[in-house]
Amino acid sequence: GAVVSQHPSRVICKSGTSVKIECRSLDFQATTMFWYRQFPKQSLMLMATSNEGSKATYEQGVEKDKFLINHASLTLSTLTVTSAHPEDSSFYICSATGLAGGGREQFFGPGTRLTVL
Amino acid sequence: QQQVKQSPQSLIVQKGGISIINCAYENTAFDYFPWYQQFPGKGPALLIAIRPDVSEKKEGRFTISFNKSAKQFSLHIMDSQPGDSATYFCAASRDAGGTSYGKLTFGQGTILTVHP
Repeated sequence: GAVVSQHPSRVICKSGTSVKIECRSLDFQATTMFWYRQFPKQSLMLMATSNEGSKATYEQGVEKDKFLINHASLTLSTLTVTSAHPEDSSFYICSATGLAGGGREQFFGPGTRLTVL
Repeated sequence: QQQVKQSPQSLIVQKGGISIINCAYENTAFDYFPWYQQFPGKGPALLIAIRPDVSEKKEGRFTISFNKSAKQFSLHIMDSQPGDSATYFCAASRDAGGTSYGKLTFGQGTILTVHP
């Protein structure tokens, strides 16, 4: 149980276009979802926290208008990178917590590799 | 005060040996300490986690040792295997309610290589 999926797994786009990444909890209801960004050989950097039906909370330094997060249901959150530029190229990973385990255990998706040309 | 410091940055171990990775934290409000394993191009997977009310937790070949007074915790991988070669992250979180609930602070990561 506790499976989180992401789609797409890999995306290549041109500079200036927008890209949407989906994160789904497949077998549990996710009360909270998190979005991370990871550069090669570096740790995970939290971008934002989202709760179903409410606005996302962004970490300091993360542009809200650049990275749009929508948590439309208890099983789906989306991250849209607007007007993507080469510096947005990165590995984006989502995670989700549910009621099991007191909501402390985060289950991670497989990640999405974004390359902006 | 939100930092979690992890060492070493990289570690090379022979097959069958013990791998030890250490983490130190500053925020005494942290009350949940998980370890994650990440293979290249994949998302992190939870290995084992501990709460500060116990000093040690063991699951198979993986053991967490926790020293509350020193604000340190470590991961021991017994009988290390080539398949254990991956990046390991320690993390910590606190129950602060609201939007901080469950938010993880990650260590810098340790690249483990187990030679056959």
